[in-house]
Amino acid sequence: DAKTTQPNSMESNEEEPVHLPCNHSTISGTDYIHWYRQLPSQGPEYVIHGLTSNVNNRMASLAIAEDRKSSTLILHRATLRDAAVYYCIRRSGSARQLTFGSGTQLTVLP
Amino acid sequence: GAGVSQTPSNKVTEKGKYVELRCDPISGHTALYWYRQSLGQGPEFLIYFQGTGAADDSGLPNDRFFAVRPEGSVSTLKIQRTERGDSAVYLCASSVAGANVLTFGAGSRLTVL
Repeated sequence: DAKTTQPNSMESNEEEPVHLPCNHSTISGTDYIHWYRQLPSQGPEYVIHGLTSNVNNRMASLAIAEDRKSSTLILHRATLRDAAVYYCIRRSGSARQLTFGSGTQLTVLP
Repeated sequence: GAGVSQTPSNKVTEKGKYVELRCDPISGHTALYWYRQSLGQGPEFLIYFQGTGAADDSGLPNDRFFAVRPEGSVSTLKIQRTERGDSAVYLCASSVAGANVLTFGAGSRLTVL
């Protein structure tokens, strides 16, 4: 079972960076790290994914530790629209489905 | 359409009734997934289709749950003899075969009274 550990909740101030941590200490060499977020009353939305190197896209950055046992999702400038549950998912190379945990509820304060 | 469409958005039914939930994936997406999400929990995998066939149905909780995708596009999740514990949001997602990114619909909220 692809387990990750995330804090239940985090708070951030608007327009400040947010660092969302995730532990995946039993990750194997072919497992990808995926992040999805879920806004209220919506389905999950893809944010970013990576294998070994740090990744950047228009939504966020993903910093992966050198030993790959942890990663951090970075929102460079939080807005009120970023308030959501953020899920860190370890996806094995052969698996097609995603196994979600409980995620981190991010609250953005104005 | 531009996204994954799920109907109905809300369904209220009585215990023991039969329910069908429909998913229209993004055109050209051959992979389709069903998930179930209870209040305060992350989505729970139910079944995955590649084309018309169910490639992995290991998440279906029991034989009251069944899903089909006869023509490799639209899928229907069928729940027989509904129970109050079936109340949840049922999410559908689709992807291009072999892709890492899933696109989810907004879900169908099922309430069993």
